[in-house]
Amino acid sequence: DAKTTQPNSMESNEEEPVHLPCNHSTISGTDYIHWYRQLPSQGPEYVIHGLTSNVNNRMASLAIAEDRKSSTLILHRATLRDAAVYYCILRDTGGGSNYKLTFGKGTLLTVNP
Amino acid sequence: NAGVTQTPKFQVLKTGQSMTLQCAQDMNHEYMSWYRQDPGMGLRLIHYSVGAGITDQGEVPNGYNVSRSTTEDFPLRLLSAAPSQTSVYFCASSFARQAPGGYTFGSGTRLTVV
Repeated sequence: DAKTTQPNSMESNEEEPVHLPCNHSTISGTDYIHWYRQLPSQGPEYVIHGLTSNVNNRMASLAIAEDRKSSTLILHRATLRDAAVYYCILRDTGGGSNYKLTFGKGTLLTVNP
Repeated sequence: NAGVTQTPKFQVLKTGQSMTLQCAQDMNHEYMSWYRQDPGMGLRLIHYSVGAGITDQGEVPNGYNVSRSTTEDFPLRLLSAAPSQTSVYFCASSFARQAPGGYTFGSGTRLTVV
């Protein structure tokens, strides 16, 4: 499985934008970039995914580098409810084991009031 | 509400006991899977299923059995509980490989083996 690298932790202030980076230098052409987050004592929650183009939804934006070797999850205005562990995961849709999500340790985001 | 339902939410077992963790989804998802999460760790895949009647092992399958007789249900059986199986267990489901969307996770079962 292609691997991702994320910082262990990041800190932000409430109502400020947050940029969470992810490196995935061994990404293949059929890998989608997925982001999940896990709030304390809850199951992971899907945030956003993309392949090549930048993506926006009600929760966040995903900026994907032109060479696809890195991506950034953008929370436009962090709130205290966004404090969570954020996981960047590659999901292969080209066949094989694409039903699997391989979780790393993610980035623990702390939001200060 | 549509989603993934896990029962029970909490369970304490004695070493050697067996039990079944239940997982049900009502979204007609083909893929279902079980993960465990130990303190301070990411999730690790135990077993998964790509459809009714089809199951396969994940990263940490030892000590667990699964079956998938219907699309909706994917129970996880602990054959003989051990303290090393103390963990939080999450069930997840997703549409098939042609739809690269997200997984939906249940709220988890917190299991303690004493």
